[in-house]
Amino acid sequence: GQSLEQPSEVTAVEGAIVQINCTYQTSGFYGLSWYQQHDGGAPTFLSYNALDGLEETGRFSSFLSRSDSYGYLLLQELQMKDSASYFCAVREDNYGQNFVFGPGTRLSVLP
Amino acid sequence: GAGVSQSPSNKVTEKGKDVELRCDPISGHTALYWYRQSLGQGLEFLIYFQGNSAPDKSGLPSDRFSAERTGESVSTLTIQRTQQEDSAVYLCASSLGGSVEAFFGQGTRLTVV
Repeated sequence: GQSLEQPSEVTAVEGAIVQINCTYQTSGFYGLSWYQQHDGGAPTFLSYNALDGLEETGRFSSFLSRSDSYGYLLLQELQMKDSASYFCAVREDNYGQNFVFGPGTRLSVLP
Repeated sequence: GAGVSQSPSNKVTEKGKDVELRCDPISGHTALYWYRQSLGQGLEFLIYFQGNSAPDKSGLPSDRFSAERTGESVSTLTIQRTQQEDSAVYLCASSLGGSVEAFFGQGTRLTVV
């Protein structure tokens, strides 16, 4: 079977750093994506890791360890607008581009 | 338009009726996906189209669900004999061939009463 696990909720204050973890168990693995979704909005792409290590894009970084079936999204210098749900997604198939999504983590940023 | 467009944005239907949901992907995007999202939940894969290849229908929950795509443009998701458990937001996404970045539409919120 396939399963992805994420914490259901995370709370932090403005200016802080928060890490959202994702562990996965899937039939295949070719990469890990992260998406952000504000309430009532469409998911938007944040990052993709195919290889082990840290990828940095501005205030957001994403990490992958394939040997541990684990990744995380790191958000620095939190802002109120970062309050949203964050989903990890595994690419299972090297031929297709279909992704299996995790249950999502709801991040609340407090003033 | 510049983004993925879905219609209608909201649909209320009676149990047992058929519904059609439409998705207009970004022009030039060869890959198109349908996902379903229940309230507060993750995205459940339904079906994936890539160019002229046979679609991956492995996520369709029952034979009441079907989808078509005309070439590399519009797609229609059809749900026959709707049930209350079909109530959810149906999201469409598209991407360039070979790209891992999917662009999502705003979704269609389906309510079956």
